[in-house]
Amino acid sequence: SQTIHQWPATLVQPVGSPLSLECTVEGTSNPNLYWYRQAAGRGLQLLFYSVGIGQISSEVPQNLSASRPQDRQFILSSKKLLLSDSGFYLCAWSVVGSNQPQHFGDGTRLSIL
Amino acid sequence: AQRVTQPEKLLSVFKGAPVELKCNYSYSGSPELFWYVQYSRQRLQLLLRHISRESIKGFTADLNKGETSFHLKKPFAQEEDSAMYYCALSPVGGFKTIFGAGTRLFVKA
Repeated sequence: SQTIHQWPATLVQPVGSPLSLECTVEGTSNPNLYWYRQAAGRGLQLLFYSVGIGQISSEVPQNLSASRPQDRQFILSSKKLLLSDSGFYLCAWSVVGSNQPQHFGDGTRLSIL
Repeated sequence: AQRVTQPEKLLSVFKGAPVELKCNYSYSGSPELFWYVQYSRQRLQLLLRHISRESIKGFTADLNKGETSFHLKKPFAQEEDSAMYYCALSPVGGFKTIFGAGTRLFVKA
């Protein structure tokens, strides 16, 4: 069966420090991969998605970037964190193809001090 | 612009009462529509999608293209239905999904 792992679960970082959040999927090949930010009362904001290795689509211009170095690995990064980057980040995957339902990880709570 | 609106942030009903979580969307074509649910301390997960026309955990949702709505309904709410519910839209042929702000359902004993 397919599983998704996202880590770390919580992270506290100082302003200006770098960031790397990792997400991996097991049990499927060539999944679509997604990064979201979830804010209370505002739903899920899509940040990046990827339909293949090295293919990244950015939805919101910001201080973050994403990479997909391997088929089932998706990384969310920043070179210098801002206070506004605080939030809850979710990784998700779907089977290859369009309009497929998504499967979510447990999320990472990021606090910037 | 593509948008999903869930007008109620919080909905509170008594156990056994009918429940309807509202969802309206803005999209020029025929989208794929979903309802996701997040129970306390659990992952966000798919509840149902309109193309399946299924009833999951007693919930149903009907797509009304004239009103551009996809309301989630259950005739008799249970305490275990208490959760956060998100309506979502995926443009036809697209890879991304647009989520509403969510409605927290609280079912009282």
